[in-house]
Amino acid sequence: EAGVAQSPRYKIIEKRQSVAFWCNPISGHATLYWYQQILGQGPKLLIQFQNNGVVDDSQLPKDRFSAERLKGVDSTLKIQPAKLEDSAVYLCASSSLDRGSNQPQHFGDGTRLSIL
Amino acid sequence: DQQVKQNSPSLSVQEGRISILNCDYTNSMFDYFLWYKKYPAEGPTFLISISSIKDKNEDGRFTVFLNKSAKHLSLHIVPSQPGDSAVYFCAASAPTSGTYKYIFGTGTRLKVLA
Repeated sequence: EAGVAQSPRYKIIEKRQSVAFWCNPISGHATLYWYQQILGQGPKLLIQFQNNGVVDDSQLPKDRFSAERLKGVDSTLKIQPAKLEDSAVYLCASSSLDRGSNQPQHFGDGTRLSIL
Repeated sequence: DQQVKQNSPSLSVQEGRISILNCDYTNSMFDYFLWYKKYPAEGPTFLISISSIKDKNEDGRFTVFLNKSAKHLSLHIVPSQPGDSAVYFCAASAPTSGTYKYIFGTGTRLKVLA
């Protein structure tokens, strides 16, 4: 089974520039998550999709961050414009949907974003 | 408001001994708990989980214990091996809007000494 694919692995940009990350979840996984992990902290949920609908985006800074999941498969996360505090690893995860039963998430290796 | 806490940022254990990693939570709505292991430059990897209807789950060298009254869970690794050296995150989930939302702790860095 192929894992969660993310690209790029690393990105360096200057503040006020824009950046986009891409995620391809495990085939058949209905739920997709984007997390932000700042150095020394645990992953923080930014947005959660179920198929192509948003379930939770309460912690997404909507003035600068946006995300979409077209056709319920791949997803992109965009930051525009970037701020210094956006320097972090951005993790994508997916899980299968099994009503009434929790399923563990499978993570990609993340994109390390550095803002200069 | 940190709902899931891992109060020990790091832990060192001799090879062959037991490693015990701890996690506390505050939200009584959490009904599923997970442990993830993370190596540098990789994403977290699922290790073991436990439902709130159980108090123990075992998988090989890894055992998770849940104490609901104390809102505390722990991960035991016996025997510890150098390859277990990694950052361990606990996570808790609660049902929300027909799916599950996960909250992660800040992680504990385990170092197993040969």
